[in-house]
Amino acid sequence: QVQLQESGPGLVTPSETLSLTCTVSGGSISSYYWSWIRQPPGKGLEWIGYIHHSGSTKYNPSLKSRVSVSVDTSKNQFSLKLSSVTAADTAVYYCARHGNSGSYSWFDPWGQGTLVTVSS
Amino acid sequence: DIQMTQSPSSLSASVGDTVTITCRASHSITSHLNWYQQKPGKAPNLLIYGASTLQSGVPSRFSGSVSGTDFTLTISSLQPEDFATYFCQQSYSSPRTFGQGTTVEIK
Repeated sequence: QVQLQESGPGLVTPSETLSLTCTVSGGSISSYYWSWIRQPPGKGLEWIGYIHHSGSTKYNPSLKSRVSVSVDTSKNQFSLKLSSVTAADTAVYYCARHGNSGSYSWFDPWGQGTLVTVSS
Repeated sequence: DIQMTQSPSSLSASVGDTVTITCRASHSITSHLNWYQQKPGKAPNLLIYGASTLQSGVPSRFSGSVSGTDFTLTISSLQPEDFATYFCQQSYSSPRTFGQGTTVEIK
């Protein structure tokens, strides 16, 4: 059974870069798409972007200028970098795998999430 | 971007009730709609994909339907473990977008 685990600093200084890693266990990172999704405290969900094991990416236009997602297949990990953060970037950050059947796709499973607070 | 509008934002119900949550898409997304359940402090959990296909292991009291751009999640015979927040999400186009959530509370 595939499991995902986010890791990284829980506190980031404003204007700095947020960096998180998602480690995939119980299965290979190959042949799938992988996403980052965030949820500000008490609010809804926002898709940040995805990466394929081949390295192709797609980002949410609302964050595109500040986001970068990369993959390390040798470590079965993928990573998120979000630059020039502000308090508005404070959120629980989730990583998730894309599932699909025909043209339908969904996020499953998800990591447990990690809270990142942007504050000085 | 495709906007997903969920209603109601919250509802109160009793064990055994049938509850209905609606999600409306701003544009046609055919049946590319997923439903998730989220409990406090936990990640969302996939319930339904393709508007009406139950994810493996999800109880049959959960069901989904679609009429045009209106999608419905129905929970029949509400159980204590069903009190949670529910989100819809469209998978028709990028960026993927979510509804704002519906919290089902105990009456």
